[in-house]
Amino acid sequence: RKEVEQDPGPFNVPEGATVAFNCTYSNSASQSFFWYRQDCRKEPKLLMSVYSSGNEDGRFTAQLNRASQYISLLIRDSKLSDSATYLCVVRSGGGADGLTFGKGTHLIIQP
Amino acid sequence: DTEVTQTPKHLVMGMTNKKSLKCEQHMGHRAMYWYKQKAKKPPELMFVYSYEKLSINESVPSRFSPECPNSSLLNLHLHALQPEDSALYLCASSQVGTGLPKETQYFGPGTRLLVL
Repeated sequence: RKEVEQDPGPFNVPEGATVAFNCTYSNSASQSFFWYRQDCRKEPKLLMSVYSSGNEDGRFTAQLNRASQYISLLIRDSKLSDSATYLCVVRSGGGADGLTFGKGTHLIIQP
Repeated sequence: DTEVTQTPKHLVMGMTNKKSLKCEQHMGHRAMYWYKQKAKKPPELMFVYSYEKLSINESVPSRFSPECPNSSLLNLHLHALQPEDSALYLCASSQVGTGLPKETQYFGPGTRLLVL
């Protein structure tokens, strides 16, 4: 059973377009939710944490639906530099607990 | 500063070698983590240290031996590895506590390991 599921893509979108990623998680006890971005041969970097009420950071908007166990990420006015793999990440416990990663969605922004 | 450093960046070792990976952070984080990432796969948790004590071992083979000598340092000792252990080994750190943003984990650049 996959704990965090994402569409692997790739998503090929033109520069300036809006792109949406979705993710579902299976563990209803999951407490914290994140989107990380990973560039080729680099480490994952936090893009944004996902709060229950939804949150926005510039061109990026994240939403969480606990009832449906669904997380989304919206990127508006996409830039060439947004090309990367976007990882949906959940954490089930508090304290010190590991992260569970989705397989990632590969995004390619085309000029 | 959200920097986690890892050394070496690259490591090639034979199956009979003993080597160590090192990770360091100076953010005052008291939780540190080792993850393994194979090509085109997401990171997978190996170990968690909380307040310098091992709190989670995700059934990792004993040829991987973690060590946390102090709150800033995390080592991963490697011995008698197999070629399938070749991967990117990522270290991360976070505060200990519940709720965001305390639980946010920050990753180092990783050590790319090749076992021959």
